[in-house]
Amino acid sequence: KAGVTQTPRYLIKTRGQQVTLSCSPISGHRSVSWYQQTPGQGLQFLFEYFSETQRNKGNFPGRFSGRQFSNSRSEMNVSTLELGDSALYLCASSHGQGSGYTFGSGTRLTVV
Amino acid sequence: QQQVKQSPQSLIVQKGGISIINCAYENTAFDYFPWYQQFPGKGPALLIAIRPDVSEKKEGRFTISFNKSAKQFSLHIMDSQPGDSATYFCAASNGRSGGGADGLTFGKGTHLIIQP
Repeated sequence: KAGVTQTPRYLIKTRGQQVTLSCSPISGHRSVSWYQQTPGQGLQFLFEYFSETQRNKGNFPGRFSGRQFSNSRSEMNVSTLELGDSALYLCASSHGQGSGYTFGSGTRLTVV
Repeated sequence: QQQVKQSPQSLIVQKGGISIINCAYENTAFDYFPWYQQFPGKGPALLIAIRPDVSEKKEGRFTISFNKSAKQFSLHIMDSQPGDSATYFCAASNGRSGGGADGLTFGKGTHLIIQP
């Protein structure tokens, strides 16, 4: 059974640019969440999607956005990149019915 | 405001010993408490999780102890092995699927080293 797939694995962007990260959940999982992981702040919740609808959102500025497609695949977008956006971005999927989340290996974003 | 406090930040245990990591939470609405293990270059992997209706859950060498009145929970790794060396995160959430209104709230992590 394939796990959660995130692409790309590594990304280098320049300040002011925008970036789109992709996540393919485990087959049958309808819930997808995104987290930011940094050494200073740890793991922080960005947002969660279920059946193409954003259910929850963390405390991040509007530059961070996401969407989910009908096949449950999800993308997150960060506009006007700042140096502080450098982080490991993790996607996690779940059945959405009381089960836990399975994380992907993440996308390492470096903003220069 | 950090809603889940994890300690210690780092821990060194001899092979065969017991590793103990503690977490404390503030939000009484939390009703799902998972532990994750993360190796370098990988995403966190779910180890074991507990809900507040039980005080202990055991899966193999891993045990969660839960104290609802104290708002604390801990992870015990019995017979610790070098392969257990990793970063461990406790987390908490409320509501559906362990995600809840605000997603998973994670502790800051414990870097565990098991010495051979």
